Amino acid sequence: DSGVTQTPKHLITATGQRVTLRCSPRSGDLSVYWYQQSLDQGLQFLIQYYNGEERAKGNILERFSAQQFPDLHSELNLSSLELGDSALYFCASSVEREVPHTQYFGPGTRLTVL
Amino acid sequence: LAKTTQPISMDSYEGQEVNITCSHNNIATNDYITWYQQFPSQGPRFIIQGYKTKVTNEVASLFIPADRKSSTLSLPRVSLSDTAVYYCLVGDMEGGYQKVTFGIGTKLQVIP
Repeated sequence: DSGVTQTPKHLITATGQRVTLRCSPRSGDLSVYWYQQSLDQGLQFLIQYYNGEERAKGNILERFSAQQFPDLHSELNLSSLELGDSALYFCASSVEREVPHTQYFGPGTRLTVL
Repeated sequence: LAKTTQPISMDSYEGQEVNITCSHNNIATNDYITWYQQFPSQGPRFIIQGYKTKVTNEVASLFIPADRKSSTLSLPRVSLSDTAVYYCLVGDMEGGYQKVTFGIGTKLQVIP
């Protein structure tokens, strides 16, 4: 158990809909990262937040947005869903300035768009 | 960002030592080398990280030559439970992972 929690575990929805994925980082971790992993693909970095502020953006679509709240949990919002958005979405957290520099991943949310 | 190249897949028999090599020719001075393991439908898990020479922990060893243009993850006496995808990451992680990318990884299949 990494200490990172994600809800829901599974999500099935239809094209055009909007969903929200939630992540709670490990206690004390200020950084939260979101990744997308499609079938048999590597992890694609989407976005990072650090202590409530957006730190870095990866290949995140304009239909997707995220935020990190004062209690450090984060939400990833996916809207106008398309079939191709079906994937595993992982959240990870880390303590920066720690050696080794380690990311702790949550169990993921499997999104299926029908 | 330093680009990494690693084999797409490898097979090994149980009990064998497995070495997975990662090439990273344009590694920068501040870059660390990190390996993660991922089981199907689970999040990746940190295995080992190094900067130069050799690092060993209870799970694996990481060999890094002097020029740091490649690195080798060594898994001693693998078991069936080591069947997973292994990712080699290279990047400046001092301030976080925003400058690091996961590739496709190496799919290791351990055979009984």
